[in-house]
Amino acid sequence: SQQGEEDPQALSIQEGENATMNCSYKTSINNLQWYRQNSGRGLVHLILIRSNEREKHSGRLRVTLDTSKKSSSLLITASRAADTASYFCATDAGGLGGGKLIFGQGTELSVKP
Amino acid sequence: DGGITQSPKYLFRKEGQNVTLSCEQNLNHDAMYWYRQDPGQGLRLIYYSQIVNDFQKGDIAEGYSVSREKKESFPLTVTSAQKNPTAFYLCASTGGPPQNSPLHFGNGTRLTVT
Repeated sequence: SQQGEEDPQALSIQEGENATMNCSYKTSINNLQWYRQNSGRGLVHLILIRSNEREKHSGRLRVTLDTSKKSSSLLITASRAADTASYFCATDAGGLGGGKLIFGQGTELSVKP
Repeated sequence: DGGITQSPKYLFRKEGQNVTLSCEQNLNHDAMYWYRQDPGQGLRLIYYSQIVNDFQKGDIAEGYSVSREKKESFPLTVTSAQKNPTAFYLCASTGGPPQNSPLHFGNGTRLTVT
């Protein structure tokens, strides 16, 4: 079963708008990571947020984590056409996963110029 | 430049043939991973290795085999026992515990079996 599930599955916005993607997970975690994947390429790490953090920023990215709701959100502000990609959240299993990260199914973001 | 190299980028095989996908890293990372990606299903873990000469099954190991004879190399063999091998395969590595360290990915191998 999936540890992380992203919502929505697909998102289409205009350049300059903000994009928000959500991730829900089932078990307790040590941290949560967000990755980006351009079509036909490998994933690129964006940001890691620890279970004792509530919010983290990196450039135009803002990640929040609510461990009571077992959910996280990724906000991309002032989106650009180059932000078009799939975005995945990844979680461990509170250290019980034996060194594994589990990925969600991803949100496909399309930013129209 | 340090990174992960997967080869080939595209691979075509006939049903019933074994095929080996290459993954090499020069990041000096101890842990390496193989994921399979199908449309709409995200990434699923096939095998992972946290140290040379040791590896563990992931969630979908059936029909696959791996070896980890060298730190920098983690080849994946897709055997004829894998019922649906056509997919995009991604290799990754990390220098510390994956819950604390980001994964570095290669650019994948797209395998088509007919």
